[in-house]
Amino acid sequence: DAGITQSPRHKVTETGTPVTLRCHQTENHRYMYWYRQDPGHGLRLIHYSYGVKDTDKGEVSDGYSVSRSKTEDFLLTLESATSSQTSVYFCAISESGQGLQETQYFGPGTRLLVL
Amino acid sequence: QQQVKQSPQSLIVQKGGISIINCAYENTAFDYFPWYQQFPGKGPALLIAIRPDVSEKKEGRFTISFNKSAKQFSLHIMDSQPGDSATYFCAASTGRSGGYQKVTFGTGTKLQVIP
Repeated sequence: DAGITQSPRHKVTETGTPVTLRCHQTENHRYMYWYRQDPGHGLRLIHYSYGVKDTDKGEVSDGYSVSRSKTEDFLLTLESATSSQTSVYFCAISESGQGLQETQYFGPGTRLLVL
Repeated sequence: QQQVKQSPQSLIVQKGGISIINCAYENTAFDYFPWYQQFPGKGPALLIAIRPDVSEKKEGRFTISFNKSAKQFSLHIMDSQPGDSATYFCAASTGRSGGYQKVTFGTGTKLQVIP
């Protein structure tokens, strides 16, 4: 999985609790992304980062926040988890995003269940 | 708003047969069309991609056909094998020089190749 790890790989939590998912890369790529994957919706972008401390919203960002304090780490936080946030979360990276048709490399995913 | 429509949702093909997955897009600004393959428990991985200035691209048993005027593209898997059983996502993206590359994914097709 292109030097990308996600932790935890599985998590069960209760409604209203905060949850933080971690993505770690060893590729020194500039761009990092968080997607969620749900049946019938494919992959939808939550947030992305284009550098340390530089982040922006994707199409489904409500209820999520992110932080990137180091090039290699991108954290996704569910501030108060809801059942609608039960999903599989994927981190992805790409090298520069400079208008080149670059591959996005995906991590192995985190399966989150909110009860 | 689903900007990339993918069909069918699921597909069962006999070993040795041809698997065909279709996608249609709306945004004429899309200029790169990748296909991703995802095995259970894994993240998506780039399979093959095409730019709109060509009508077909072939890599081994995998071929993308692209129809710019109809805003449609399709993946053909020739001589399908049980090892091809996976979920396939089409995608479309717009490249921006020096900027973030937004990728829009289809909803996925679960392919099962039976012996």
